[in-house]
Amino acid sequence: DIQMTQSPSSLSASVGDRVTITCRASQGISYYLAWFQQKPGKAPTSLIYAASSLQSGVSSKFSGSGSGTDFTLTISSLQPEDFATYYCQQYYSYPLTFGQGTRLEIK
Amino acid sequence: QVQLQQWGAGLLKPSETLSLTCAVSGGSFSGYYWNWIRQPPGKGLEWIGEINHSGSTNYNPSLKSRVTISVVTSKNQFSLQLSSVTAADTGMFYCARRNLLRGEIDYWGQGTLVTVSS
Repeated sequence: DIQMTQSPSSLSASVGDRVTITCRASQGISYYLAWFQQKPGKAPTSLIYAASSLQSGVSSKFSGSGSGTDFTLTISSLQPEDFATYYCQQYYSYPLTFGQGTRLEIK
Repeated sequence: QVQLQQWGAGLLKPSETLSLTCAVSGGSFSGYYWNWIRQPPGKGLEWIGEINHSGSTNYNPSLKSRVTISVVTSKNQFSLQLSSVTAADTGMFYCARRNLLRGEIDYWGQGTLVTVSS
């Protein structure tokens, strides 16, 4: 299985800040990487696919980059609704696997 | 607007079989893989498996011996069965759509909380 490791596991930031979350794959996954946002008590929602492509309807404040083993999710100008848990997920090979999540909290 | 609406029994006893169904509306049923993903309380996401409209499946090897995913194309529905459940299977279960060509998950169901307790 491909292991996905996110850092940090938790992150405190203020409204208006720009933050970056990192995801590392245990082996190369090309660009087959997605990012999801999950708010407490809710289902995840899809943000980014193919490492850097924005899902339809997702704000351009979210951006992704990377290929191979190292990926980043950047969120600019944080707003209260952005404080949530973020997951990366590889779909390069089976079984599909997720990172452990990064909890973004208000400072 | 694509919607995935899921339902199923929320309280099970150990050794029973979990059964959930997900109905898809607002989009094509072919051209996608239909997925099940679970999340233990306070923990991360685990992929269970998927099926396409013609019934081809892929399962997580860690659960494969206990999982069956089936599809009823005429109703745009797919289902999950997980046998011999234990307390470790307690958590939220989500259905989700995955693009067959591009590969990414794009839509999720609302989730179903399943509790296994004697």
